Amino acid sequence: EIVLTQSPGTLSLSPGERATLSCRASQTVSSTHLAWYQQKPGRAPRLLIYGESSRATGIPDRFSGSGSGTDFTLTISRLEPEDFAVYYCQQYNTLPEWTFGQGTKVEIK
Amino acid sequence: QVQVVESGGGVVQPGGSLRLSCAGSGFTFSSYSMHWVRQAPGKGLEWVAAISGDGGDKFYGDSVKGRFTISRDNSRNTLYLQMNSLSPEDASVYYCARALTVGPGKPLGYWGLGTLVTVSS
Repeated sequence: EIVLTQSPGTLSLSPGERATLSCRASQTVSSTHLAWYQQKPGRAPRLLIYGESSRATGIPDRFSGSGSGTDFTLTISRLEPEDFAVYYCQQYNTLPEWTFGQGTKVEIK
Repeated sequence: QVQVVESGGGVVQPGGSLRLSCAGSGFTFSSYSMHWVRQAPGKGLEWVAAISGDGGDKFYGDSVKGRFTISRDNSRNTLYLQMNSLSPEDASVYYCARALTVGPGKPLGYWGLGTLVTVSS
């Protein structure tokens, strides 16, 4: 099973600041099979980024994904108030075991 | 528009069974693989199971293998999750999710609101 480790666990930032979230895999993951999701309290997750760095429909361009091999990054260039949430990375490289990272909470400083 | 709506959650005793349903609409249901993902209270996301569009391929996470069964009825546009031998560790919100696009190896593009399963005596 591929284990995804996200860091930091919590990121305390102010609106307008840049957020950099890390996702490290226990073994190589194809960059075309790595996704990022956003989840707000009481809501279902929402797909943000998938594939090499494709944004899902309606996702603003302040969100970007990068990385390869075992190290991947989600960057939010300038935090908006609605961006404070929990973010999960996910590998969908191989079935039957898809895995999620444990999540990074982005909170208002 | 694309919608997936879960139902069937509730309270069940340890060792009991429950069947979840997920109704899809706004898309050609049989063309897409479907997944179940769960989230225990205050915890992260855990992928549970997946099924191909025609129902011929089924996949399970290690924690539910042998206890849970995923299935679908394409004539009813409905996905199911039969859960047996439930334990308190299975208590979670269960989300139904549709692959973003047709074909294998696609991320989860559309999610339902979830249905809560509580395992308690």
